[in-house]
Amino acid sequence: NAGVTQTPKFRILKIGQSMTLQCTQDMNHNYMYWYRQDPGMGLKLIYYSVGAGITDKGEVPNGYNVSRSTTEDFPLRLELAAPSQTSVYFCASSSQGLRSQPQHFGDGTRLSIL
Amino acid sequence: QKEVEQNSGPLSVPEGAIASLNCTYSDRGSQSFFWYRQYSGKSPELIMFIYSNGDKEDGRFTAQLNKASQYVSLLIRDSQPSDSATYLCAVDSGTYKYIFGTGTRLKVLA
Repeated sequence: NAGVTQTPKFRILKIGQSMTLQCTQDMNHNYMYWYRQDPGMGLKLIYYSVGAGITDKGEVPNGYNVSRSTTEDFPLRLELAAPSQTSVYFCASSSQGLRSQPQHFGDGTRLSIL
Repeated sequence: QKEVEQNSGPLSVPEGAIASLNCTYSDRGSQSFFWYRQYSGKSPELIMFIYSNGDKEDGRFTAQLNKASQYVSLLIRDSQPSDSATYLCAVDSGTYKYIFGTGTRLKVLA
């Protein structure tokens, strides 16, 4: 099992450009998440999904969009990139249970907006 | 606003000692508690999770939960230089979501 796979690993964008960060998982997890992590900070939730076709905003959703057409994939779209979106982005997934389950993280995408 | 608080450190301990990492949380409704280790430039990886009050042991790691006092701790016995990393505490926040602390940086001195 590959677990959670994120692409690309690194990317430099110019201000105003758009891009999609890809995330796929092969563990048949219903729940998927996008976080950003700024230097020396914890993880901030951007968007999450509880299943195909269902998404919801997290703590810091402005400037981002998501979709969830399949159980496996949960892409994150940046529209009109801004320097404030320079960060490391992590995708995570977790299974469903009676209690909240541990999350499995991808390796991250390091994004710089110049 | 629901919060998870951790001392940012660095917490320095000599090799072989016990490292004690602490975390407090604000939401009394939280039921699930997680510790992740994050090496510099890497993604978080799960170390321990705990649901019930008391201690849970896994090898050199022990998670301790006290819901009445709203804190959760992680003890690392026989600390090794390879344990040097940032340790993130995470707590469930309602349904399907988690709140992360900013992490405690641990340095194990050889």
